[in-house]
Amino acid sequence: NAGVMQNPRHLVRRRGQEARLRCSPMKGHSHVYWYRQLPEEGLKFMVYLQKENIIDESGMPKERFSAEFPKEGPSILRIQQVVRGDSAAYFCASSQGSARDLFFGPGTRLTVL
Amino acid sequence: AQRVTQPEKLLSVFKGAPVELKCNYSYSGSPELFWYVQYSRQRLQLLLRHISRESIKGFTADLNKGETSFHLKKPFAQEEDSAMYYCALSLTDSWGKLQFGAGTQVVVTP
Repeated sequence: NAGVMQNPRHLVRRRGQEARLRCSPMKGHSHVYWYRQLPEEGLKFMVYLQKENIIDESGMPKERFSAEFPKEGPSILRIQQVVRGDSAAYFCASSQGSARDLFFGPGTRLTVL
Repeated sequence: AQRVTQPEKLLSVFKGAPVELKCNYSYSGSPELFWYVQYSRQRLQLLLRHISRESIKGFTADLNKGETSFHLKKPFAQEEDSAMYYCALSLTDSWGKLQFGAGTQVVVTP
């Protein structure tokens, strides 16, 4: 089992461009979580998804950010019209169920120029 | 509002010395607390959860509801314990929706 996969590992975007971050959960895991880590801070919860459903998006900024977890394929975190403040490490985690241990991916480091 | 505080950004200890990482939380409900660890160039991984009352790699953590603390302790630090440690609080019944502290960097010197 390769574990949670995220790509790209590093992403550079100019202000106003779109960023797409991908997350493939561990085999057998149907619960996906996205977190953001700003410099010198802890991870902040963004969104919790199950296949084809957003369960909890209380941590997502109201604008420009969206997430999906389609029936087939990876979960996608999409940031439209990126700004410098979006520069951060974005982590994906998966689990077998809601009260089960989380397994984290290696993260995607987004830099907005 | 829920909050997790790790007051120490950096903790430097000698090999063989005891180490204690502090974690305080504020939460009105019944908390589920975790410690996560990230070794150099590795992924964030679960170290232990309070509900299991287990000892992992010699580390233990006791939930003190009176002091709203969940400090992580190890009696004899090893060099391989050098890592970033995060205390986390489950915000709901879902163990995946976590409030993380800012983390404590532990450096164990020989």
